[in-house]
Amino acid sequence: GAVVSQHPSWVICKSGTSVKIECRSLDFQATTMFWYRQFPKQSLMLMATSNEGSKATYEQGVEKDKFLINHASLTLSTLTVTSAHPEDSSFYICSASRAPGNQPQHFGDGTRLSIL
Amino acid sequence: AQSVTQPDIHITVSEGASLELRCNYSYGATPYLFWYVQSPGQGLQLLLKYFSGDTLVQGIKGFEAEFKRSQSSFNLRKPSVHWSDAAEYFCAGENSGGYQKVTFGIGTKLQVIP
Repeated sequence: GAVVSQHPSWVICKSGTSVKIECRSLDFQATTMFWYRQFPKQSLMLMATSNEGSKATYEQGVEKDKFLINHASLTLSTLTVTSAHPEDSSFYICSASRAPGNQPQHFGDGTRLSIL
Repeated sequence: AQSVTQPDIHITVSEGASLELRCNYSYGATPYLFWYVQSPGQGLQLLLKYFSGDTLVQGIKGFEAEFKRSQSSFNLRKPSVHWSDAAEYFCAGENSGGYQKVTFGIGTKLQVIP
């Protein structure tokens, strides 16, 4: 069964709204989680690395004030898209590694965000 | 810079035919390598992984992949394709040791014709 859970799976909202996406590791502790973004018909691109108890590390070109990441516990990381606009519409996927590190990361099922 | 390349964006095969999806990687050291499959609107499903050891790895759904260090390749194969295999396939790499970001290839869309 799923070991990484994402919620919600699909959200539609108006432009200017802030949207929070949750990523939970269900049966293990994850000190590091990753957030990816996938535009239609494109590959997944890493947005940021979420570190429990510290600031996230953002990839070049990703606005940290736009995409707020909070990793307050060992089983939960949240991504908040602030003041979302239509160009933020995308598929967002998180992943987490179960210890020890030499295992494939577990991916959530993704969140489809549509901004009207 | 680390990269994963999938030369074929779109491949069409007949049902029952064999399949090979190409993947090349560029890493400083041998990375962990993965193949994932994604159906439209869905998340990722891991098909198989290579960490070390036997260079021919078996995965789910009858897929296999072979790691070739000399060619920096990790091609995915299946001897007989089923219509249900139609999907997007992503090759991905991660620096060995774990807890690292995964770099994805651009993806290969597989179409299966009757």
